This record gives sequence, C-alpha cells and structure tokens, in this order.
Amino acid sequence: QLQLQESGPGLVKPSETLSLTCTVSGSSVRSDDYYWGWIRQPPGKGLEWIATIYSYTGNTYYSPSLKSRVTISVDTSKNQISLKLTSVTAADTAVYYCARRPLVTPGLRPFDYWGQGTLVTVSS
Amino acid sequence: EVVMTQSPATLSVSPGERATLSCRASQSIGSNLAWYQQKPGQAPRLLVYGASTRATGIPARFSGSGSGTEFTLIISSLQSEDFALYYCQQYNHSPPTAFGQGTQVEI
Repeated sequence: QLQLQESGPGLVKPSETLSLTCTVSGSSVRSDDYYWGWIRQPPGKGLEWIATIYSYTGNTYYSPSLKSRVTISVDTSKNQISLKLTSVTAADTAVYYCARRPLVTPGLRPFDYWGQGTLVTVSS
Repeated sequence: EVVMTQSPATLSVSPGERATLSCRASQSIGSNLAWYQQKPGQAPRLLVYGASTRATGIPARFSGSGSGTEFTLIISSLQSEDFALYYCQQYNHSPPTAFGQGTQVEI
C-alpha cells in the first residue's frame, strides 16, 4: 500500500532555509513510472504547486514564482524526496504536501496520491 | 501560464440534492483536468481525471464532464460526507500545473 509521509521542522525563522523530506513506501522513487512533486497550502487558502522531479532522468521542474529559492531532489537509497526553500518569509507558512504523479503513455495524469502534509510556520 | 477559475466560491446544498461545480481554464487544456476533494485537516483526494474518469474507489455519484476550457463536476444526491472543499487542476500544460481557488460545498 502506497504511503507518503512528510517530515521536517514545524517552525523556521525568517530568512532561513526550510528543509522537508517525504518518505515513500509501497513505491520506488527511482521508478520510471512516476513523477514526484511538492504542493503547498497556506492556512485557509488554496493549493500551490511548488516543484516536480522525474528521478529516472533527473529532470526537475519548478514554479516560476519560486524557482529562484527552491530545490527538489531524491535520495533513492532512502526512497525519499526532499524540498529546500531558501530565504523564507511569513508568506511561506503553509501545509506542505508531497504527491505522486503517474507517467502514462499515451496521455497525462494528475497527482494521484498525496501525503498527509506537514505544517511549516515561518516565525521568529 | 494557464489560470483556473472555479465557481461558485461557496455552494449551499441540502443533503440528497444535486451539486454542480464549474471550472474554467484561461486557455484550452483538452481533457487534462482533475477534480479533488479536501476535508478539513486532510490531504486532497483525487476524484476525477481526464475530465470525466473517476479515480479508483470514487462513487458513481461523482461525475465530471467538459473539454477545452469549460468543465463541470456534478455530485448527484449529496451525502453528508460530500460536504467539503473541491479543487480543479489542469495538468495539460504541465509542469507547471495550476489549481483553481476551490469551491466550498456546504449544507
């Protein structure tokens, strides 16, 4: 059974770097069948896509509005996906989700499985 | 960049009634449109992809339709567990992907 579990510090100071990990069980992050992504949701607001990685090729994709501050990566030995967001401000306070997106041929698919999310608050 | 617009922001419906949610894309996305349901404190759950294909385990009372720029999610005969927040997402021009701002279905 597929499970995605986000983890990381719940509180980050302004101007510091937010680092999160998503541990995947029941699926391999190195598989050529899936993309892996991060999406966030500020309290009481909508969903915002942050980044996606296709670890089979190493290709990464970033939200234009966050590109200068975001890095997504995978650790295949631990079956984890990581997110780093630098120079955070209060506007980065949100629940951060990791999610899986199948790669199918022909056609496209959306994110089909999501982790439960982890709340990160940016505050001094 | 594709912008997704959902309407209405809030939909008040009685149990057993039908709910109709709309989603519009700022440019054509074919049928690459998904609907998600989100309940308080939970992650979004995929309901529909390909504009009209129900995801695994989703009841038949959820039906999606549309293509191009106009899409609809209909929930026939609302059950108590269906009162939630619903998002549409385009994944045609993806990445980047984009979500609508959500429709709250309330009693």
